[in-house]
Amino acid sequence: GIQVEQSPPDLILQEGANSTLRCNFSDSVNNLQWFHQNPWGQLINLFYIPSGTKQNGRLSATTVATERYSLLYISSSQTTDSGVYFCAVITGANSKLTFGKGITLSVRP
Amino acid sequence: GAVVSQHPSRVICKSGTSVKIECRSLDFQATTMFWYRQFPKQSLMLMATSNEGSKATYEQGVEKDKFLINHASLTLSTLTVTSAHPEDSSFYICSAEKRTGWNEQFFGPGTRLTVL
Repeated sequence: GIQVEQSPPDLILQEGANSTLRCNFSDSVNNLQWFHQNPWGQLINLFYIPSGTKQNGRLSATTVATERYSLLYISSSQTTDSGVYFCAVITGANSKLTFGKGITLSVRP
Repeated sequence: GAVVSQHPSRVICKSGTSVKIECRSLDFQATTMFWYRQFPKQSLMLMATSNEGSKATYEQGVEKDKFLINHASLTLSTLTVTSAHPEDSSFYICSAEKRTGWNEQFFGPGTRLTVL
């Protein structure tokens, strides 16, 4: 099956700093989503981005499908950005998401 | 919007009892829902795919007789953990697929199950 690798596994930032989170995948994908899991466990949809670039406030994402990677950019980080960021992909005809192991982000005041 | 709810959010039960978890899509219809399990500090593991009006499809290694799934309507899927044991303690999360031309999934807030 497809492999989804996220890096770095852990990231510590000072409030106000910028960061880039990476997701590599081993095969072509039909769907790629970025999620933020908050400390209470809720997964929040950040981007649906199988290709191209999208922006939402301080967050933006770029997926280069031909090179099999996606990047999530966080600018001017805030303490509320802390949590785990997951990349997940769908390949083939089914709708099953395959998740990466996640990136744990801690933003310190 | 695309809101998915789960109930209960937290449950503690005795070993040997059964526990039912509900997953509802509140503002859209979902022909397909998914059930995941997440252990502490780990990623989500897909347990099964639930299709409205048909039998669920279980992932390899997931016991279908232990984790009963029913998807009786376009807005409700239930997961019943039968004869629960302490090793079933985990965080269970559902998602619902919103068909808008692409298959984006939206997640419920999760249910933390503790089996004593």
